[in-house]
Amino acid sequence: SFELTQPPSVSVSPGQTATITCSGDHLGEKDASWYQQKPRQSPVLVIYQDTRRASGIPERFSGSNSGNTATLTISGTQAMDEADYYCQAWDSSSAKFGGGTKLTVL
Amino acid sequence: QVQLQESGPGLVKPSETLSLTCAVSGASIRNYYWTWIRQSPGKGLDWIGYIYYSGGTLSNPSLKSRVTISIDTSKNQFSLRLSSVTAADTAVYFCARDSPERRLDHWGQGVLVTVSS
Repeated sequence: SFELTQPPSVSVSPGQTATITCSGDHLGEKDASWYQQKPRQSPVLVIYQDTRRASGIPERFSGSNSGNTATLTISGTQAMDEADYYCQAWDSSSAKFGGGTKLTVL
Repeated sequence: QVQLQESGPGLVKPSETLSLTCAVSGASIRNYYWTWIRQSPGKGLDWIGYIYYSGGTLSNPSLKSRVTISIDTSKNQFSLRLSSVTAADTAVYFCARDSPERRLDHWGQGVLVTVSS
């Protein structure tokens, strides 16, 4: 079955670039979305259709998707970006989420 | 602005049926896929299924036989029923709006449902 794999954790220093990957068979042929979830909050859409930023999302967030890997990039990472990030894509008849990546800004 | 609000019992007994409702305000229920997602404590997101405004549904194959999603367009709300629950169904349940562009652009605040006797 179609699965999405993310690294459990990523660390970045403030002001640096954070890269979070999401891997799945032929993922580049599907539309990937990314969601940010802070503790005790609902997820928030960050990126959809691979590269499109959701309304209100800062320009420092960008996405790409090719081959078997989708990537969320946060340029000039800020402390407020510390959160869990989930990728998501559609299989033939089911939406799938990756296991999530905890981004730590230290 | 668009708001979604889940409601329902926070405690369900094993083998019984979990029932939740999501009230939608600030937007028409038409032309969207109305979705349920859950998150077990300390775990990731799990897509349960959706209902289109016209009534068509799609569910996660792993839950399909236990899931019923319905919609009441007159009340601008949709509902989830999950039968034969076990402790593994303990989770925060979110409702969300999925647009035609396939983006979950609005989420409810979530409701914790605990399965316990």
